[in-house]
Amino acid sequence: GAGVSQSPSNKVTEKGKDVELRCDPISGHTALYWYRQRLGQGLEFLIYFQGNSAPDKSGLPSDRFSAERTGESVSTLTIQRTQQEDSAVYLCASSLTSGANTDTQYFGPGTRLTVL
Amino acid sequence: RKEVEQDPGPFNVPEGATVAFNCTYSNSASQSFFWYRQDCRKEPKLLMSVYSSGNEDGRFTAQLNRASQYISLLIRDSKLSDSATYLCVVNHDYKLSFGAGTTVTVRA
Repeated sequence: GAGVSQSPSNKVTEKGKDVELRCDPISGHTALYWYRQRLGQGLEFLIYFQGNSAPDKSGLPSDRFSAERTGESVSTLTIQRTQQEDSAVYLCASSLTSGANTDTQYFGPGTRLTVL
Repeated sequence: RKEVEQDPGPFNVPEGATVAFNCTYSNSASQSFFWYRQDCRKEPKLLMSVYSSGNEDGRFTAQLNRASQYISLLIRDSKLSDSATYLCVVNHDYKLSFGAGTTVTVRA
């Protein structure tokens, strides 16, 4: 079946511009996560959605970052007034449920963001 | 202190060799543990879960020591295709915390 998809795969933007990244989770997966991976570093948790519950935004690095998800479908991550330090790969993952100890998170291919 | 710390390597080993590495985690309340594999410029993919009793999946053996808060991965009979970065991952509630990864390069 189809995995997690993300678009665009690459995005180059100028400092100060806004960008929007999209994630399509696996159908039926109620949990959706956004992570950021800077070059040579581990993944940083950004935000988590579970069904219709309020999202956990505790990982968002600043108020320039926001994310939305409609129901259990597509999510968009928006970065306003991009800065060079925002350059990273943004990974989306989904899982069937959440909280259960062994739920596997399936990752999308990521969006590579470069801020000039 | 980072939640999950790993030796970055690189571990450069010949085909057929055994390579082992581990990671430590800081949150004693962590509930589940995993090794993910990440190839260059690709997304992470689950390699295996790690259970308290230790577990094997083919040539891969994972161990968990809750008292010392470390997790290990051993790869036997290394293949060229095992070359990748191995991410130690710890789950607390729904949040996964990732180590920065250990790079393994298997040479012919």
